[in-house]
Amino acid sequence: GAVVSQHPSRVICKSGTSVKIECRSLDFQATTMFWYRQFPKQSLMLMATSNEGSKATYEQGVEKDKFLINHASLTLSTLTVTSAHPEDSSFYICSARDRGQGARRNEQFFGPGTRLTVL
Amino acid sequence: SQQGEEDPQALSIQEGENATMNCSYKTSINNLQWYRQNSGRGLVHLILIRSNEREKHSGRLRVTLDTSKKSSSLLITASRAADTASYFCATVPTGTASKLTFGTGTRLQVTL
Repeated sequence: GAVVSQHPSRVICKSGTSVKIECRSLDFQATTMFWYRQFPKQSLMLMATSNEGSKATYEQGVEKDKFLINHASLTLSTLTVTSAHPEDSSFYICSARDRGQGARRNEQFFGPGTRLTVL
Repeated sequence: SQQGEEDPQALSIQEGENATMNCSYKTSINNLQWYRQNSGRGLVHLILIRSNEREKHSGRLRVTLDTSKKSSSLLITASRAADTASYFCATVPTGTASKLTFGTGTRLQVTL
């Protein structure tokens, strides 16, 4: 249980295009999902907190108009990188927080990540 | 930056030896968690220690927490080549629900 998937796992795009990354909780409901970015050999940096049915909360320094987040259901959040540039190339990881009442309540589960390369 | 610091940044040991990684953080916390990441992959949750706990064990893992020094350590005993990965500590600051702040990570290499 507690599986989080991301799609695609890898994407290569041309500069100026937009790329959508999906994050799904497969066997639990998540009112909150988190999006992280990780550069090579560095740590994860939180970009934004995605809340189901409301606007995302962005961390300082993250452009909300560039990184569009939509959390349309309790099992799906999407991150769209708009007008991507080579400096946006990174590993994007999502996590989902279990809203259930069991032992996993409030525990975060991570997706496998999406490698974005912008040419 | 609120990011925690980990040391060493890189650690190379032989199979069978113990590996110790340290994490320091800056704010008061609800809990501290350790994660493992294989190269280019997602994160695997290893262990969570709450702010009122001082030590916790899980298999070959031993985690300590010293809230007065704002530090934690992860000990992997009898290491195996399969333990080769990056290890990150992550804190949940007080009052932020489950919002995680990750440390800088330790890259562990276990050789045969």
